[in-house]
Amino acid sequence: DAKTTQPNSMESNEEEPVHLPCNHSTISGTDYIHWYRQLPSQGPEYVIHGLTSNVNNRMASLAIAEDRKSSTLILHRATLRDAAVYYCIPSPPGSSNTGKLIFGQGTTLQVKP
Amino acid sequence: DAGVTQSPTHLIKTRGQHVTLRCSPISGHKSVSWYQQVLGQGPQFIFQYYEKEERGRGNFPDRFSARQFPNYSSELNVNALLLGDSALYLCASSLAAGQGYYGYTFGSGTRLTVV
Repeated sequence: DAKTTQPNSMESNEEEPVHLPCNHSTISGTDYIHWYRQLPSQGPEYVIHGLTSNVNNRMASLAIAEDRKSSTLILHRATLRDAAVYYCIPSPPGSSNTGKLIFGQGTTLQVKP
Repeated sequence: DAGVTQSPTHLIKTRGQHVTLRCSPISGHKSVSWYQQVLGQGPQFIFQYYEKEERGRGNFPDRFSARQFPNYSSELNVNALLLGDSALYLCASSLAAGQGYYGYTFGSGTRLTVV
């Protein structure tokens, strides 16, 4: 299982971009990089995932380093609703996935108005 | 569409008792996973069931067991409760065993307090 390192906490101002880094230097060559977030008093919520190329969706963008040892989740304009704990999770592809997501400590993002 | 529903939302049990937690996945989802989240930590994987068979098990004692029913709903059972079992128990569902394109969908959890 790949080990991940994320900053414990980050702060952002509302309406500004936020870059959340994650190191996963022991990632397997076939593991996808998934990001989930957990808002207060809720279960985790899927944000985005990628393998090698940068990815965009309606929630965020994911930038993956060329050597795949790190990635950055980008929130283009943070809102108060984005205040949450963000987890990056390397995970094997679907057919070999036993449902086991390994959550680390994550990064607690605070958004200031 | 209803999301993943878990019941009850909160409960308090006494040490040594048994508890059953329930989860209804999103309609059409055949996979259910269970996680335990202790305060201040990330969720820890307990079990995954797909098509009513256990596909994965985390590092939890045999006091923890689960099953999946023909309608794909699931129960998590914990026997001989300990104070350390106090946690938020989360259920996640997906169409297939893997995460698919939209990841796992989690419920809001059951908050279990053991006194």
